[in-house]
Amino acid sequence: EDQVTQSPEALRLQEGESSSLNCSYTVSGLRGLFWYRQDPGKGPEFLFTLYSAGEEKEKERLKATLTKKESFLHITAPKPEDSATYLCAVQAARSNYQLIWGAGTKLIIKP
Amino acid sequence: NAGVMQNPRHLVRRRGQEARLRCSPVKGHSHVYWYRQLPEEGLKFMVYLQKENIIDESGMPKERFSAEFPKEGPSILRIQQVVRGDSAAYFCASSPKTQDNSPLHFGNGTRLTVT
Repeated sequence: EDQVTQSPEALRLQEGESSSLNCSYTVSGLRGLFWYRQDPGKGPEFLFTLYSAGEEKEKERLKATLTKKESFLHITAPKPEDSATYLCAVQAARSNYQLIWGAGTKLIIKP
Repeated sequence: NAGVMQNPRHLVRRRGQEARLRCSPVKGHSHVYWYRQLPEEGLKFMVYLQKENIIDESGMPKERFSAEFPKEGPSILRIQQVVRGDSAAYFCASSPKTQDNSPLHFGNGTRLTVT
């Protein structure tokens, strides 16, 4: 069964304290892995798409990496405005539209 | 450019009433997806529609739930005879096409509370 597991469920960091969020997945053939950010009361906002193991994408303080079993979202020197829930989703090769979502990691950056 | 617009933002219904949730996709997007989100859980796929067609409704309960995306106007998710278990946040997303992993653009959701 296709599955996405994110860890930790919640993460509290001090401003400037770098860390990583994990997304482990089991899927029959990976078409793509997506990272989204969701702020309270809002819809998910797209961050990155990764397609194959070894691929990396960067945007400001965020860097996403992908292996055959998991993806990491690295946050470097975070700021309070990076506080949000970060969602991971995978698209299996057999479907060109269905996404399987993790439950998310709630990130809190304290000033 | 306006993003995905959902309304209402909050909807309160009593058990047995009907709930209608509306979604206007990004201008030019012809693919609409509805998702349901419960607290501390991942988004769950409900239905995928293109203009005037339901492509995949495998994630939507067969009873009480229906969805449409007419040629003109917004997409509608309709829940008849609501029950307390229908309380959740319902998100709509749109994309221009499906073939190249186009990222989804989400609205800010409708939070349905059934009393």
